Amino acid sequence: GAVVSQHPSRVICKSGTSVKIECRSLDFQATTMFWYRQFPKQSLMLMATSNEGSKATYEQGVEKDKFLINHASLTLSTLTVTSAHPEDSSFYICSARETSGPSYNEQFFGPGTRLTVL
Amino acid sequence: RKEVEQDPGPFNVPEGATVAFNCTYSNSASQSFFWYRQDCRKEPKLLMSVYSSGNEDGRFTAQLNRASQYISLLIRDSKLSDSATYLCVVNAHGGHTGFQKLVFGTGTRLLVSP
Repeated sequence: GAVVSQHPSRVICKSGTSVKIECRSLDFQATTMFWYRQFPKQSLMLMATSNEGSKATYEQGVEKDKFLINHASLTLSTLTVTSAHPEDSSFYICSARETSGPSYNEQFFGPGTRLTVL
Repeated sequence: RKEVEQDPGPFNVPEGATVAFNCTYSNSASQSFFWYRQDCRKEPKLLMSVYSSGNEDGRFTAQLNRASQYISLLIRDSKLSDSATYLCVVNAHGGHTGFQKLVFGTGTRLLVSP
């Protein structure tokens, strides 16, 4: 299957700082990428859908000014958590969807980024 | 009511046992269905899609009942390596955007013991 990478895999930061997470599709092009968040013992919750060359679509209750998404190319989307607070500590996972080929429409998940805000 | 509901478990079974997980979904417009597997502190990985006619992949069998909005996963001859959390996932169009949107259940935890 297709490969999606995320960087960093783990980040610890101080309250009030901003953190950028990168999501890359390594061997395919993805016009659409998705950002999820998972708190302990809870399900993955979709935060936003990232579309290459246009604005991201945010789910209800997700602050677009706090979680900045940039999808500047067909292989890279970034999520920036601005002014992070301890309640933003979570497991952030991206996924990318192939737009052509045998796995068309299947979502491939990155390995996740564990954010801890002190 | 949650969009996708699962029994969180854990299900503790011995090696070789058969175990079944169930899942219900609330959106009757849901179009496709999946079971994902998630290991501790890892990303979810697709286990299998679920088709209306039911489908089997080795020791795993998935079934869908659209009328009851119910999905199941059966694991036969459980292995130690099957220990994980199994996520029921439903795909629906994301409202006005028209994009597909995966909705995840909280998962059912399986522990297979020797």
